[in-house]
Amino acid sequence: QVQLVESGGGVVQPERSLRLACTASGFTFSSFAMHWVRQAPGKGLEWVAIISTDGINKYADSVKGRFTISRDNSKNILSLQMNSLRAEDTAVYFCARQSSPMTNYFDYWGQGTLVTVSS
Amino acid sequence: SYVLTQPPSVSVAPGKTARITCGGDNIGSKSVHWYQQKPGQAPVLVIYSDSDRPSGIPERFSGSTSGNTATLTISRVEAGDEADYYCQVWDSSSDHLVFGTGTKVTVL
Repeated sequence: QVQLVESGGGVVQPERSLRLACTASGFTFSSFAMHWVRQAPGKGLEWVAIISTDGINKYADSVKGRFTISRDNSKNILSLQMNSLRAEDTAVYFCARQSSPMTNYFDYWGQGTLVTVSS
Repeated sequence: SYVLTQPPSVSVAPGKTARITCGGDNIGSKSVHWYQQKPGQAPVLVIYSDSDRPSGIPERFSGSTSGNTATLTISRVEAGDEADYYCQVWDSSSDHLVFGTGTKVTVL
């Protein structure tokens, strides 16, 4: 069965860096676009970034230039490198699978990993 | 940037119908998807491509779009439907994915 498991969250000081990982199993990882979505405590969902099957990526304006999404198809791992972190980046970060190349909704989500940016 | 506006809350009695709106400029020209999120859990897709239901989602959940509004309808509401609901589209003009502001459904 499809599984997405995030890791790497934790408490980090402002302006520092953190790298999140999402380990995928149960499907052909290389055939699906993947996304990161975050949710600040008590707030709504916010899209963060997408990486296509051929490595093309796009970012939300709030993270562009600070975050980098990448994928390792040989290890079935999706990553999010987060630099210059700010208090407003505090959130649960979910990885999600885009259902197919021609659609843009998520059919599977991970359970999320909490990132807290605080001094 | 493209904005999707939802009512913050909707209250409904068991057995009645809940309607959750999602307003966006010419949203009828986009493909709208809906997610249900219960506390402490990841979102779950309940409607995709305006009105299609994933397998395992009850027929009580339906979706429609018209003009500047998309609507998620939950018929014969049950206590287990109490959750936050989010609409979502892809904005091709900005190449960004957009979520609605979210609606908390309370079953009275």
